[in-house]
Amino acid sequence: NAGVMQNPRHLVRRRGQEARLRCSPMKGHSHVYWYRQLPEEGLKFMVYLQKENIIDESGMPKERFSAEFPKEGPSILRIQQVVRGDSAAYFCASSPRDSGNQPQHFGDGTRLSIL
Amino acid sequence: AQSVSQHNHHVILSEAASLELGCNYSYGGTVNLFWYVQYPGQHLQLLLKYFSGDPLVKGIKGFEAEFIKSKFSFNLRKPSVQWSDTAEYFCAVIPSTTSGTYKYIFGTGTRLKVLA
Repeated sequence: NAGVMQNPRHLVRRRGQEARLRCSPMKGHSHVYWYRQLPEEGLKFMVYLQKENIIDESGMPKERFSAEFPKEGPSILRIQQVVRGDSAAYFCASSPRDSGNQPQHFGDGTRLSIL
Repeated sequence: AQSVSQHNHHVILSEAASLELGCNYSYGGTVNLFWYVQYPGQHLQLLLKYFSGDPLVKGIKGFEAEFIKSKFSFNLRKPSVQWSDTAEYFCAVIPSTTSGTYKYIFGTGTRLKVLA
């Protein structure tokens, strides 16, 4: 399967722990996007990255959240000191370029549960 | 602020019934429009997209959508639904702005249940 790969599919953390979510884009895609889906809500844009660059992080909470897309390896969304409100599904998408004319392809998501 | 509204949160239909899901957006400029479907436990899959040209767009699995610019709408339709269409449907818009064309704005989704 050459689609967008996210892991883990499910992640359980206790309050105060760190959560690391990984995303490997489709082969040939160098643009990665992270979205968060809270219960009963639509997906909300968080951050847009290209290799080694954060292009737009306007949807990221100001504290505790960070994202990276290194030259080698998957993109990582990191949440420090998790709280109950971080419980959500986190989706990664990728595209070969600025996705204006290229739809983004989505992964299966990581469902984060905070105890 | 830019937003996308999906008016029907839950829809229940019998097989062979016709489907129309509403989607309206608030943005006065150029937009790209999408409908995605999410089957239980799976990732979002693209049903259809509109960038330009014929406002009536045909997608996969017999779905189509019509872009009506004057109404800021992009409603999804299917003449005859099947049990396998049970899923959640998301409308999404990408406004074309000076900073780029990449930021999807999603509606809250419509959960469709088709009764066999």
